[in-house]
Amino acid sequence: GENVEQHPSTLSVQEGDSAVIKCTYSDSASNYFPWYKQELGKRPQLIIDIRSNVGEKKDQRIAVTLNKTAKHFSLHITETQPEDSAVYFCAASMGGGNKLTFGTGTQLKVEL
Amino acid sequence: GAVVSQHPSRVICKSGTSVKIECRSLDFQATTMFWYRQFPKKSLMLMATSNEGSKATYEQGVEKDKFLINHASLTLSTLTVTSAHPEDSSFYICSARDHGSGPDTQYFGPGTRLTVL
Repeated sequence: GENVEQHPSTLSVQEGDSAVIKCTYSDSASNYFPWYKQELGKRPQLIIDIRSNVGEKKDQRIAVTLNKTAKHFSLHITETQPEDSAVYFCAASMGGGNKLTFGTGTQLKVEL
Repeated sequence: GAVVSQHPSRVICKSGTSVKIECRSLDFQATTMFWYRQFPKKSLMLMATSNEGSKATYEQGVEKDKFLINHASLTLSTLTVTSAHPEDSSFYICSARDHGSGPDTQYFGPGTRLTVL
């Protein structure tokens, strides 16, 4: 089955700096890659997703890049703010409504 | 985005009792819902895929007789933890696919914190 690895497990940045979280996946059939943000005790919230027919997608301060050949994808957050502090999860799926396999999560802390 | 609710948000029960958790899609129909379990500071582990009108598909290692799933309507799936024990204490989260947002987009419920004494 699919295996998703995520790095780093913790990330601390200064407010205004950029943050990058990386994930790798094992199944070349995976073609849907969402990113979720989860605050403590709350539900995961979809922040951005990308499909395998696209190499990059951007939404304001958030961007995701995908390298199908290397089977890795990354989340980029620019101009970080304290409210960006949370746990971020990447996930992969074969699409078509198939299940998501989640990475292990990254605790992002944005310091003032 | 689509809204998914879960009830109850928190439950404390005695060992040996059964607990039912409801997951509802409020503004869309969900033919498929997913049930996850999350331990503190850990990732989401898929337990089962719930399909409306048919049997759930359980992930390897998940006991189907212990974690009963029913998806009787397009807006409701239930997870019943039978004969709960302390090791079943966890954060249980459901998600639902909203086809209107794309076939793969999953929206999560707020989760249910289960504590078994």
